[in-house]
This record gives sequence, C-alpha cells and structure tokens, in this order.
Amino acid sequence: GAVVSQHPSWVICKSGTSVKIECRSLDFQATTMFWYRQFPKQSLMLMATSNEGSKATYEQGVEKDKFLINHASLTLSTLTVTSAHPEDSSFYICSASDPSGRANYNEQFFGPGTRLTVL
Amino acid sequence: GIQVEQSPPDLILQEGANSTLRCNFSDSVNNLQWFHQNPWGQLINLFYIPSGTKQNGRLSATTVATERYSLLYISSSQTTDSGVYFCAVGGGSEKLVFGKGTKLTVNP
Repeated sequence: GAVVSQHPSWVICKSGTSVKIECRSLDFQATTMFWYRQFPKQSLMLMATSNEGSKATYEQGVEKDKFLINHASLTLSTLTVTSAHPEDSSFYICSASDPSGRANYNEQFFGPGTRLTVL
Repeated sequence: GIQVEQSPPDLILQEGANSTLRCNFSDSVNNLQWFHQNPWGQLINLFYIPSGTKQNGRLSATTVATERYSLLYISSSQTTDSGVYFCAVGGGSEKLVFGKGTKLTVNP
C-alpha cells in the first residue's frame, strides 16, 4: 500500500506558540490530502481537505485562520496550528489516496499521527 | 451528510473466540474502509470494501451496499487483535466519515 509519513510524531509547546506538522506521501503523488483530529477515546473528525496548488477546504466549525494548511507540492502538505492553546491538544492525523494505477482509486492511507500537547 | 454507526461499542473476548463487528451507513457509498488503530494511534488499513466480500487471513469483510451495512469478521482472535476498529465511508466526494469505533479487548 501507499506510505504516508508525518513529522513530528509528538510535540509539546507553550500556549501562544505556533506548531507546524508535515504530512508526506513517500511513494506516490497526492493532489489531495486530508487532515483529521482525534481527541482521547473518540473517533476521527475531518478538519480540512488540502488541495495541491489551491486553498484548503475546511469543515464546518474549523477555524481556517487558526489551522493553516499549505499543500505546495504533490508530496507535502503542512498543517500549522497558530497561537496554540491547551484545548488544541489532540492527535492530528493526515491521509492521502493514490489514484494513479490503482484499482482502489479512492482508498485512503493514513500517516502515523502527531500528538500535540499545549501547556 | 452520511451517518455511520458501529456496533458493538465494546467487545471483550477470550483468545481463540470469533467475533463480528457491524457498520451501518445511511446513504450509498463509493468507498468503505475498515481500519485497526493500534495502541500508538496508527491506522492500519484492513479492507477497502465498498461492496462484496474479501478475506485476508483470519479476517474477512462483507459489504451489502443495497442494505447499507458492512461486517468485519475476526476468527480465532489473538491478544494482538486488541485495539479499536473503525469503519469509514465515503459518498460522492473523497471525504471519509468515520464511525465511533468498536473497542476490542482479547484476553489471554
């Protein structure tokens, strides 16, 4: 299957600082990537759809000025949590699909996640 | 939007037992995936199964799209099968909607 990586695996920061999380597709090109957030003992909630070369599409209730998404290349999307606060502490996971040459054109593959703790 | 319900929410088994996890969805789908989330949070792709039946070792899955449900079967369960199993579906867009998951505990 397609491989997706994330960096960093975990990060601890002080309240008010900004944190950047990277999502990379390692063996395929992804025109679309997705960012999810998962709170403890809960399911994954889609935050936004990241489109290469254009603006991200945010889900209802997600602040686009707080969660900045940049998808500058076909293998990299970044999520920046600006002015992070303790309530932003969560597990952030990205995913991508590889439609080229695959029978399961819309099957999504997930990165290992980034655990953010804001003090 | 599409609603996804998984059952049961929790399941406790003895090693060697079989189990069936269910996923109901509210609309037609062009994507249905089953995942196992390991203790470190990584989502492991188990099946891509918007319709039909697939098997992979001790695991198998069936999706009856016309009746809007999917089943994940785990046979001869092992302690390493413990974790949370998610069903996620996609409608016309590429977005996936996740169910709340089934937490499986397999005791030795």
